Amino acid sequence: AQSVTQLGSHVSVSEGALVLLRCNYSSSVPPYLFWYVQYPNQGLQLLLKYTTGATLVKGINGFEAEFKKSETSFHLTKPSAHMSDAAEYFCAVSPGGYQKVTFGTGTKLQVIP
Amino acid sequence: DAGVIQSPRHEVTEMGQEVTLRCKPISGHNSLFWYRQTMMRGLELLIYFNNNVPIDDSGMPEDRFSAKMPNASFSTLKIQPSEPRDSAVYFCASRPPRDGDTQYFGPGTRLTVL
Repeated sequence: AQSVTQLGSHVSVSEGALVLLRCNYSSSVPPYLFWYVQYPNQGLQLLLKYTTGATLVKGINGFEAEFKKSETSFHLTKPSAHMSDAAEYFCAVSPGGYQKVTFGTGTKLQVIP
Repeated sequence: DAGVIQSPRHEVTEMGQEVTLRCKPISGHNSLFWYRQTMMRGLELLIYFNNNVPIDDSGMPEDRFSAKMPNASFSTLKIQPSEPRDSAVYFCASRPPRDGDTQYFGPGTRLTVL
């Protein structure tokens, strides 16, 4: 069984400030972990993913996430928020092996000028 | 590559009518997923296929919903009869055989049932 918890359905940051979106997971096997981004009226697109290997993963648009097994976390960060980062962000987990992916409930990021 | 193609992009229908949503996955992808997204329930997996075979349909709400994948390049999600509570955005996603479980989403179909 697997699940994902995203802390905070809405997060607001000032332009130029640090972005931190929190994700904790539960998985009975070593997980694959994902962050997807959804812009208004669009489908989800992959931001970054962790499968194996290096625990700090870099994605598109300056985002990165760190897999911390001891904390069962996969938080998403970006050093400096840009107005174009305003979107909804989804954390997701899968057991690998091409099984189904479980998505979190999403966090809407607002960037304040 | 054109990406995942969904049609129609918008559908407005009346309660009781049959609705068919269509999806063309990315060529070479062997898994296909149907999701529903609403404000109240977020993103829900309805059904997914591997190599055209339905693997898990436990998310299909009820018998009014059915999905088919007759070949590797086409899938349909049908609702018959439709109800107002089916109003949502329906996404199709496909997945390649060797990409660490990454899914590629289509633009979605916004369904409104009056």
